[in-house]
Amino acid sequence: DVKVTQSSRYLVKRTGEKVFLECVQDMDHENMFWYRQDPGLGLRLIYFSYDVKMKEKGDIPEGYSVSREKKERFSLILESASTNQTSMYLCASSSGSGYFLGGGTYEQYFGPGTRLTVT
Amino acid sequence: GQQVMQIPQYQHVQEGEDFTTYCNSSTTLSNIQWYKQRPGGHPVFLIQLVKSGEVKKQKRLTFQFGEAKKNSSLHITATQTTDVGTYFCALPNNFGNEKLTFGTGTRLTIIP
Repeated sequence: DVKVTQSSRYLVKRTGEKVFLECVQDMDHENMFWYRQDPGLGLRLIYFSYDVKMKEKGDIPEGYSVSREKKERFSLILESASTNQTSMYLCASSSGSGYFLGGGTYEQYFGPGTRLTVT
Repeated sequence: GQQVMQIPQYQHVQEGEDFTTYCNSSTTLSNIQWYKQRPGGHPVFLIQLVKSGEVKKQKRLTFQFGEAKKNSSLHITATQTTDVGTYFCALPNNFGNEKLTFGTGTRLTIIP
């Protein structure tokens, strides 16, 4: 079974603090993703990485950065946390590096999530 | 980015009634995925549809991909309390990478 773990289930930080969220997957997946989930807005992609040290911005990258120094680990960094970054953060991973035969896309495996509160 | 309309946003049904959620895209899709998130849980992959007009079944769940590959539906027959959760469609992008755009989800609650 694929396992995606996240460093904390709940986190409370103060405005202006630097925050690190860690994600580890154990299936040697090439792709890793960070999403935030807010009521009524679904899952929105912050950043994703398709290889070690490679990253691409998602739909809402402002205020965030990422790091992928090892294949199994993908970190999300809030340089200076703000109250509007209070949210559920979900990490995911998937195999592959492009469309597989037949036009499909690899399924994503999600971690349990980190509920971050910034006060 | 691409638009992903998913309706309805909420659905309350009596146990035993049917449930349907719809996902509409503004662009033609190569495939579509569906995920389920239980309350307090994380999204879990259900299925992927690839072919035009494709219909796939998983027990009481029926997934359909439109002929024009711009819309999809998930239908649950005779809902049970275990069906409670939020159902998301997820659309691929057109750039050959593994990014997905998730719909806003349909939250299903069951009245026992």
